Amino acid sequence: KNEVEQSPQNLTAQEGEFITINCSYSVGISALHWLQQHPGGGIVSLFMLSSGKKKHGRLIATINIQEKHSSLHITASHPRDSAVYICAVRGVSGGGADGLTFGKGTHLIIQP
Amino acid sequence: EAQVTQNPRYLITVTGKKLTVTCSQNMNHEYMSWYRQDPGLGLRQIYYSMNVEVTDKGDVPEGYKVSRKEKRNFPLILESPSPNQTSLYFCASKVSLGSYEQYFGPGTRLTVT
Repeated sequence: KNEVEQSPQNLTAQEGEFITINCSYSVGISALHWLQQHPGGGIVSLFMLSSGKKKHGRLIATINIQEKHSSLHITASHPRDSAVYICAVRGVSGGGADGLTFGKGTHLIIQP
Repeated sequence: EAQVTQNPRYLITVTGKKLTVTCSQNMNHEYMSWYRQDPGLGLRQIYYSMNVEVTDKGDVPEGYKVSRKEKRNFPLILESPSPNQTSLYFCASKVSLGSYEQYFGPGTRLTVT
């Protein structure tokens, strides 16, 4: 089973700072997801990556398949970015379960 | 609006009292699943369903039941809840097993005393 490690576990930063959240996994994957969990609990999918880099607004996600590592970057951070960011990896093996293994999340607080 | 709804959002109950958490999606998705989220453990899949009348166990199915009689609904049933089932529960759906984007419900916070 894949081991998914996120770092840091907690991060507090000032508004405007450039934020990086890291995700490492132990076994080859078919895809990696970044999710955002708002303080109220709701979860939203941000990105799905299988290679390279994706950008959406101020969010950028990268993945290095050889190094089994992904990063989520937030540029010009804002208090509304405060949330828990969750990395999830999807294994290459088949089967009925969706094969997702979730990281424990990074709790980000952006102070004004 | 495309969405996954769950009810109730919050529930406090006592050990052994049967309960059902409902989940409904309006996107005609084939695949639905239930997760629980616990501090320090991340999300873990309880049960999933690939289509009507097709359900199977996820990683932590003990103490739970599900049914999928209609495509839109996927209730989670706790026949005899115990305190170790105190958790935050999420229902999710996607077009099919092979789809990547998954839509999550708002979550149900369950406390079993």
